[in-house]
Amino acid sequence: SQQGEEDPQALSIQEGENATMNCSYKTSINNLQWYRQNSGRGLVHLILIRSNEREKHSGRLRVTLDTSKKSSSLLITASRAADTASYFCATDPNAGGTSYGKLTFGQGTILTVHP
Amino acid sequence: GAVVSQHPSWVICKSGTSVKIECRSLDFQATTMFWYRQFPKQSLMLMATSNEGSKATYEQGVEKDKFLINHASLTLSTLTVTSAHPEDSSFYICSARAFGQGSGTEAFFGQGTRLTVV
Repeated sequence: SQQGEEDPQALSIQEGENATMNCSYKTSINNLQWYRQNSGRGLVHLILIRSNEREKHSGRLRVTLDTSKKSSSLLITASRAADTASYFCATDPNAGGTSYGKLTFGQGTILTVHP
Repeated sequence: GAVVSQHPSWVICKSGTSVKIECRSLDFQATTMFWYRQFPKQSLMLMATSNEGSKATYEQGVEKDKFLINHASLTLSTLTVTSAHPEDSSFYICSARAFGQGSGTEAFFGQGTRLTVV
């Protein structure tokens, strides 16, 4: 079942502006990952944040994790038209064995960056 | 990063026929692979967990006789959609974790297969 809820469902901004997307989840996790998907294409891994981490940066990306609120946010700074895509959070359960890699995806945020 | 190759990238088939989709880990061994399904403008839904050398584990609501999964080697898992119907038209994506990697590392995704049943 899909446990992740993302908001907003769609976000439209101008180039140069920052884009913030939020993700909430329900069960305990080992880590949370953010992925990007261009229309009709596969997933591109953006960043992974572990449950004992609170913030992580990668280039123009900043991810926060609040395990007490079971929420995460993805910030894209100085957005570009090429950032236009769907963004998904995915939670990795706090379990072992064959559950490794069994991700539960949020509903996604469709980001449109206008030139 | 590790590479997962999925083939074909798109396929059109007639109702009633079967379609096989391959998922290969090119530069690592994957004891476990995962198959997801994605409808237009929706999120990814896990269909099943493919375990090398054993039967796949299906998520609730996924028909195991319709979506046959075989994981015959550490680098290959296949998903066969049997007796396909138009409602099976969807985007199918596989993912894999490297052998020996525990939870806490990224999963690597194939590029997906767009299936259209006419």
